[in-house]
Amino acid sequence: GEDVEQSLFLSVREGDSSVINCTYTDSSSTYLYWYKQEPGAGLQLLTYIFSNMDMKQDQRLTVLLNKKDKHLSLRIADTQTGDSAIYFCALGGPTDSWGKLQFGAGTQVVVTP
Amino acid sequence: DVKVTQSSRYLVKRTGEKVFLECVQDMDHENMFWYRQDPGLGLRLIYFSYDVKMKEKGDIPEGYSVSREKKERFSLILESASTNQTSMYLCASSSPWGYTFGSGTRLTVV
Repeated sequence: GEDVEQSLFLSVREGDSSVINCTYTDSSSTYLYWYKQEPGAGLQLLTYIFSNMDMKQDQRLTVLLNKKDKHLSLRIADTQTGDSAIYFCALGGPTDSWGKLQFGAGTQVVVTP
Repeated sequence: DVKVTQSSRYLVKRTGEKVFLECVQDMDHENMFWYRQDPGLGLRLIYFSYDVKMKEKGDIPEGYSVSREKKERFSLILESASTNQTSMYLCASSSPWGYTFGSGTRLTVV
């Protein structure tokens, strides 16, 4: 989606933290998601945050939401080679939007030893 | 766990063929979706369905149709396959907590 933007590529060294960023234009989103896609596979839901939250932490994952700047980020602590994948942010609208999500183009994360 | 199963991982079809991509979910979700994924373009919504026999066009419906005769099954149909429909096709069903995706079908039209 043209209304959800992500950088296309991120390289990170094993053990470092990764930060994947996402900006969006539609402020009516109620749920904001991060998905992970490993090579040759479908998308796997990693985590989500409600629009009334600023932060959510789940083990190595931290999601930050800045509603004023319409900015969503995913931080992966102690990045491992298994974290190499494409990461998509996605925005879900109000309940009358039939559950449709707007996806970003995805960020390819490459973890180097 | 919710499962979304796509019947084929890889398909090769000839130009002009009618192609059926099948998707089945086992969690009684009402909403189901078909996306295509192309490098640099992310996921683009083709069609979605919010109930049996109900369908809505997504962002790129041209050249495609869908069928939902049973709640658990959502089929994508390429009426006359063309080379520009070579892509990865992803099916999903949804709950308020997000989508569950199938593993995808990589379709090549030659």
